[in-house]
Amino acid sequence: QVQLQESGPGLGKPSETLSLTCTVSGYSISSGYYWAWIRQPPGKGLEWIGSIYHTGSTYYNPSLKSRVTISVDTSKNQFSLKLSSVTAADTAVYYCARSDSSSNFYYHYMDVWGKGTTVTVSS
Amino acid sequence: QSVLTQPPSASGTPGQRVTISCSGSSSNIGSNTVNWYQQLPGTAPKLLIYTDDQRPSGVPDRFSGSKSGTSASLAISGLQSEDEADYYCAAWDDSLNGYVFGTGTKVTVL
Repeated sequence: QVQLQESGPGLGKPSETLSLTCTVSGYSISSGYYWAWIRQPPGKGLEWIGSIYHTGSTYYNPSLKSRVTISVDTSKNQFSLKLSSVTAADTAVYYCARSDSSSNFYYHYMDVWGKGTTVTVSS
Repeated sequence: QSVLTQPPSASGTPGQRVTISCSGSSSNIGSNTVNWYQQLPGTAPKLLIYTDDQRPSGVPDRFSGSKSGTSASLAISGLQSEDEADYYCAAWDDSLNGYVFGTGTKVTVL
């Protein structure tokens, strides 16, 4: 079955760039679907960060767009998140997920999730 | 701040029916389908309902979703102790050109 696993440093310093990778197993990213990053600050709700289509098209949360880059590496069956100029407010559990979607996003949902990785931003 | 509004909490005794509302607007729920996610304590979210009222394989039929206009609802009938979790609605927002989650509702089984 399809599985997703997040990886990356658990600790980062303010003003640095946070880099996370999601490794997909059981499905080839190049075959389709959108691939998303979602985060959850401690004790708070879910926030969509952005999504990338297997062709490389990207969609970002407007509130994070200036600091976010999501990319895909089909050769490694991975997709990645880079978040620049981080602050303590970026401390969260970061999830990667697969998204099924229509071309106009009439339907769009995350059907497979990774277990999440905790990132703490602190000096 | 989320564009989809949910009550912070809901509760019921075992066997009761609990309903959670999700209020949005014409650019999200009014234009696109709604999904619901269940997040058990300390775990990743899990897809519970998709495209307004469809259940993924393995989700009990005690869970049901509905939508009317710019609002959606999740109903849990025959509430069980293992249903104690946080529940989030979500949908694509055409104005933001992005995916939005609801504020989340914590369900407690009394």
